[in-house]
Amino acid sequence: GAVVSQHPSWVICKSGTSVKIECRSLDFQATTMFWYRQFPKQSLMLMATSNEGSKATYEQGVEKDKFLINHASLTLSTLTVTSAHPEDSSFYICSARDLEDQPQHFGDGTRLSIL
Amino acid sequence: GENVEQHPSTLSVQEGDSAVIKCTYSDSASNYFPWYKQELGKRPQLIIDIRSNVGEKKDQRIAVTLNKTAKHFSLHITETQPEDSAVYFCAAMYTGGFKTIFGAGTRLFVKA
Repeated sequence: GAVVSQHPSWVICKSGTSVKIECRSLDFQATTMFWYRQFPKQSLMLMATSNEGSKATYEQGVEKDKFLINHASLTLSTLTVTSAHPEDSSFYICSARDLEDQPQHFGDGTRLSIL
Repeated sequence: GENVEQHPSTLSVQEGDSAVIKCTYSDSASNYFPWYKQELGKRPQLIIDIRSNVGEKKDQRIAVTLNKTAKHFSLHITETQPEDSAVYFCAAMYTGGFKTIFGAGTRLFVKA
């Protein structure tokens, strides 16, 4: 149980392109979803937290107009990297949880490479 | 702000030996402590967790201990195997809030 599906797994695109990443909870209702960015050999850096039907809460230093998050349903959240540039290249991972006292379950991550 | 410190950053052990990873948290309200294992290029996977009303929890070769007074918790892996090689993250959260604070990770190498 507690499966989180993330797509795409790998994206290579030109600078200036907008990229959408989807995160779906397959067998539970994801009341809260989290988006992380992970640099090589580093820990998970929380970008934003989203609750279904509400606006996402962004961490300090994360541009909300750059990283658009939509959590329209209890099973789907999307992260759109707008007008992506090479410095946005990274590994993006979503996670989801149902109840507040339950652990987060992670998606497989999306490797984003901007040329 | 809230912080979780994790040590060591790198740990190398011989197959069959034990490995211990230690974490310290700053927010005394934290009451849930999961541990995740992340293999290269893959998702972090929950391997064990402990809540603040318990001092120790064991699942086969892995165990976690919690000292609430000292705000320390540790992961213990016994009889290590090469497939235990991965990055391990500790985390602390308050179940009444939203945020989980992760440690910086420990890269474990198990030499055959």
